[in-house]
Amino acid sequence: GNSVTQMEGPVTLSEEAFLTINCTYTATGYPSLFWYVQYPGEGLQLLLKATKADDKGSNKGFEATYRKETTSFHLEKGSVQVSDSAVYFCALSTNAGGTSYGKLTFGQGTILTVHP
Amino acid sequence: EAQVTQNPRYLITVTGKKLTVTCSQNMNHEYMSWYRQDPGLGLRQIYYSMNVEVTDKGDVPEGYKVSRKEKRNFPLILESPSPNQTSLYFCASRRGQSNNEQFFGPGTRLTVL
Repeated sequence: GNSVTQMEGPVTLSEEAFLTINCTYTATGYPSLFWYVQYPGEGLQLLLKATKADDKGSNKGFEATYRKETTSFHLEKGSVQVSDSAVYFCALSTNAGGTSYGKLTFGQGTILTVHP
Repeated sequence: EAQVTQNPRYLITVTGKKLTVTCSQNMNHEYMSWYRQDPGLGLRQIYYSMNVEVTDKGDVPEGYKVSRKEKRNFPLILESPSPNQTSLYFCASRRGQSNNEQFFGPGTRLTVL
């Protein structure tokens, strides 16, 4: 079945530091890959996505590249801000039919805390 | 405003007392889904619906029921809640294709004593 593995957290950084959160996946077929962010007390919001190999998703200074050869979709940001403190989830979705159709499979989430 | 709403946001109940968590979306989305979020496990899908009167089990359906009588509503029913169903629940909806964004509700924190 499909699965997503994220780096262990929590991650604590100082403002303006470089951020990497690792994400690797296993999937049947050709998945779409997503990063969702959850701010305290809120639901999840889509941060960025990539739907095919070598695509780069980007938003709000965050980037992630769909690497099929390494089955990875690592999240990066060059200079984090305090307002980036949140939980980040890597996820995948496939077009396979049957019970897995369209299901988002999530990683366990990584808590990011950014200090001033 | 396009949104997914859930009610209640917080609920404390006792074992065995039936409850329903409502979910509604105003985006005319075909696909709706329920997830539960537990520490260290991420989000796991409970049930999903591809359209009106079409529902199917996700990864952790035991102890839950759903219905989809109208396109906008997708209630989650716990017929006889147990303490292991204490969790944070999210409803989500999506238009059409699986590579489209899912929109999430604000969450319902359920405690079963």
